[in-house]
Amino acid sequence: KQEVTQIPAALSVPEGENLVLNCSFTDSAIYNLQWFRQDPGKGLTSLLLIQSSQREQTSGRLNASLDKSSGRSTLYIAASQPGDSATYLCAVRGASGSARQLTFGSGTQLTVLP
Amino acid sequence: DVKVTQSSRYLVKRTGEKVFLECVQDMDHENMFWYRQDPGLGLRLIYFSYDVKMKEKGDIPEGYSVSREKKERFSLILESASTNQTSMYLCASSVFGSPLHFGNGTRLTVT
Repeated sequence: KQEVTQIPAALSVPEGENLVLNCSFTDSAIYNLQWFRQDPGKGLTSLLLIQSSQREQTSGRLNASLDKSSGRSTLYIAASQPGDSATYLCAVRGASGSARQLTFGSGTQLTVLP
Repeated sequence: DVKVTQSSRYLVKRTGEKVFLECVQDMDHENMFWYRQDPGLGLRLIYFSYDVKMKEKGDIPEGYSVSREKKERFSLILESASTNQTSMYLCASSVFGSPLHFGNGTRLTVT
């Protein structure tokens, strides 16, 4: 059974710092991996989706990488801002591609201090 | 942009009531999902649907049922609400292999 781990559970950084969030998974047979952001009391907002054949995806100040063989993905946030404060979750989709096989990590709560 | 709309942000219901949570998406997605999110337990899949009138149980279907009469609408039903169903409920939709899109969630409190 796929297990997804995000460490640390919480992270606090000063504004302007570049940072990396980690996501590890136990079964490397995946279809894709998705990063989400969740603000308090809200739903999840999709940030980036990396297909299993890709190594990275970029959107603005965000860059997500994928290393299937080692079971790891990272989300890099450049020049962090207080508005980036949120919980970041990764989710891994199983090899069949069915969203039924989506496994979520428990998230990293990021606080960017002004 | 994909829009997934959940009819209520907050609901307070009494134990034993029948509760309906509604979700509508506007992108003709075939797949729709209901999750609940609890502190320390993360997101858990309750039910999902891959087509109209089609449904499959997720990891925690007990105490819940669903209805999908139209492609755009997926309803979660709590037949007899209990206090342990107090939670944040999240609806999502997608097409095969594409990103999952979530609604804003419904915070349900059962007293």
